[in-house]
Amino acid sequence: EVQLVESGGGLVQPGGSLRLSCVASGFTFSSYAMSWVRQAPGKGLEWVSAIDGSGDNTYYADSVKGRFAISRVNSENTLYLQMNSLRAEDTAVYYCAKAGSGYSYYFDSWGQGTLVTVSS
Amino acid sequence: EIVLTQSPGTLSLSPGERATLSCRASQSVTNNHLAWLLQKPGQAPRLLIYGASRRVTGIPDRFSGSGSGTDFTLTISRLEPEDFAVYYCQQYGSSPITFGQGTRLEIK
Repeated sequence: EVQLVESGGGLVQPGGSLRLSCVASGFTFSSYAMSWVRQAPGKGLEWVSAIDGSGDNTYYADSVKGRFAISRVNSENTLYLQMNSLRAEDTAVYYCAKAGSGYSYYFDSWGQGTLVTVSS
Repeated sequence: EIVLTQSPGTLSLSPGERATLSCRASQSVTNNHLAWLLQKPGQAPRLLIYGASRRVTGIPDRFSGSGSGTDFTLTISRLEPEDFAVYYCQQYGSSPITFGQGTRLEIK
């Protein structure tokens, strides 16, 4: 059974930093692209970032480009999202999601999410 | 960026009825790389359909996806009480990946 467990969320001041983690199990982690998707309170889903299975290729939404960095450590089955220069509009539940295949970025498994609140 | 517009915003139906949800893209979705997900309150989204019409293993056959190019449809043939939730379409054929704004399916 695929499991994705996020952690690292919390309250941070504007301009601050936070690192999210997602520990994966139940599948061959290095064979699948992974992604972060967020959901602001009461709002819809917004794709944030993605990384291929090897970690060589990364992709970002314009809203976070230059501020967020996605990475993975395949030997530890762990996905990360380093978030810098945080803004109030980054407040959201952040989900870790597994791509359905090596190259197709539909998301067939999701974590339970971790809440990031950016406020002074 | 491909903008996905879902309609209606809210759909009120009764159990046993048929639901038809629409997702229209601002430009053609490459290779019909269009997925449908549902989300219940307080839960993570769950994938139902990918590739416009391929149902995920374990998803009941009352759920079906159709369409191509810019117009896609999710049909639920006979609504069960557990189907009332928010439904999102997502395109993954072009970067950036985008989601529709969602359709809320509520009990009438």
